[in-house]
Amino acid sequence: DTAVSQTPKYLVTQMGNDKSIKCEQNLGHDTMYWYKQDSKKFLKIMFSYNNKELIINETVPNRFSPKSPDKAHLNLHINSLELGDSAVYFCASSPPVYNSPLHFGNGTRLTVT
Amino acid sequence: QQQVKQSPQSLIVQKGGISIINCAYENTAFDYFPWYQQFPGKGPALLIAIRPDVSEKKEGRFTISFNKSAKQFSLHIMDSQPGDSATYFCAATSNNAGNMLTFGGGTRLMVKP
Repeated sequence: DTAVSQTPKYLVTQMGNDKSIKCEQNLGHDTMYWYKQDSKKFLKIMFSYNNKELIINETVPNRFSPKSPDKAHLNLHINSLELGDSAVYFCASSPPVYNSPLHFGNGTRLTVT
Repeated sequence: QQQVKQSPQSLIVQKGGISIINCAYENTAFDYFPWYQQFPGKGPALLIAIRPDVSEKKEGRFTISFNKSAKQFSLHIMDSQPGDSATYFCAATSNNAGNMLTFGGGTRLMVKP
């Protein structure tokens, strides 16, 4: 079984639309993350979330919002999509222990046309 | 501002050779330095990590060298194999950032048979 799974794997949509990417982890981890990987492969943290605290990277537009229905899920909602949002989005999880490894999903490739 | 700078962007090595990837950081609060390996179509996965209280860590063919005074660390892959062909990311974090990693720009390694 995949430890961190994301759906969909590919998402093609038009500018101005609202879309969501789902993430689920079956590792029992308390903390989940969203990372954005741009066309140059640069990985950038967007959010860190556990059931107590949401940490937002200040550079992330407020069109992006994480929503966690329960400890095993952290979905990413994006409003009013822009061309520059095209990227691969990775969900990850880790135990709430500092220095523990992050477990990444296989990514969702978002293309905004 | 890129807090972790990685070089080279790409690297071609013959099978059996040594692959060397370098990273430099600016934030002196960083105290945990992992390396992640990413294959095409997959999420990054932890390869090896080091804390600044040691100057070197070795796991199999992979070694991290760490120079705290120069704020630099590097990954050495000995006896490089075609299966090592992937993108490698250095990263860093600090205790007050939890597990929110700041990644370098990545190095695409190709090992030729």
